[in-house]
Amino acid sequence: AQTVTQSQPEMSVQEAETVTLSCTYDTSESDYYLFWYKQPPSRQMILVIRQEAYKQQNATENRFSVNFQKAAKSFSLKISDSQLGDAAMYFCALGAGGTSYGKLTFGQGTILTVHP
Amino acid sequence: DAEITQSPRHKITETGRQVTLACHQTWNHNNMFWYRQDLGHGLRLIHYSYGVQDTNKGEVSDGYSVSRSNTEDLPLTLESAASSQTSVYFCASSEGSAHGAFFGQGTRLTVV
Repeated sequence: AQTVTQSQPEMSVQEAETVTLSCTYDTSESDYYLFWYKQPPSRQMILVIRQEAYKQQNATENRFSVNFQKAAKSFSLKISDSQLGDAAMYFCALGAGGTSYGKLTFGQGTILTVHP
Repeated sequence: DAEITQSPRHKITETGRQVTLACHQTWNHNNMFWYRQDLGHGLRLIHYSYGVQDTNKGEVSDGYSVSRSNTEDLPLTLESAASSQTSVYFCASSEGSAHGAFFGQGTRLTVV
């Protein structure tokens, strides 16, 4: 069984500052993918960033980057130069490769508040 | 543009009634999923399908069923709605594990 744990129910950050959201996971698969999704008040699930487990290089998408520590099974999200529009619920998700075809296991979510 | 749409966006129903939530995708993805979102639990998998006539149970499948008669649609049925099924429901589709999934807008279901 796969598990994903987000231990921070809520986080806050000042506008223009940097914040890191934590995620740990457990899987017996050797082929897997990790994702961060953003859910703003509109409820829409938006893919923020993805990481292939076989890649050592940390993924980066503009102001969003990850710190992927495979041995520690840790996958944190760093948001730089935080903006008011970053305020949302963030979910960490794990997808096994092979025949899982996009099936995801989610963490509990972290609510991010951005203060002006 | 391709998309995935759910209907209705909001629904209130009574305990014991049968309810069907619709999901339609134009991505032409074989893989479709239903999740429910509850505070403190994140999103949990209810049912999924890897193609026409294929359906599989997820983590929290009791009281739910799905059918897949074509590539585009995966309706979710609550056979006899219970208050414990009050939740936000998301439909998703995926090209494969490496790509993550595209989600619908969600349906907020309240069972009274």
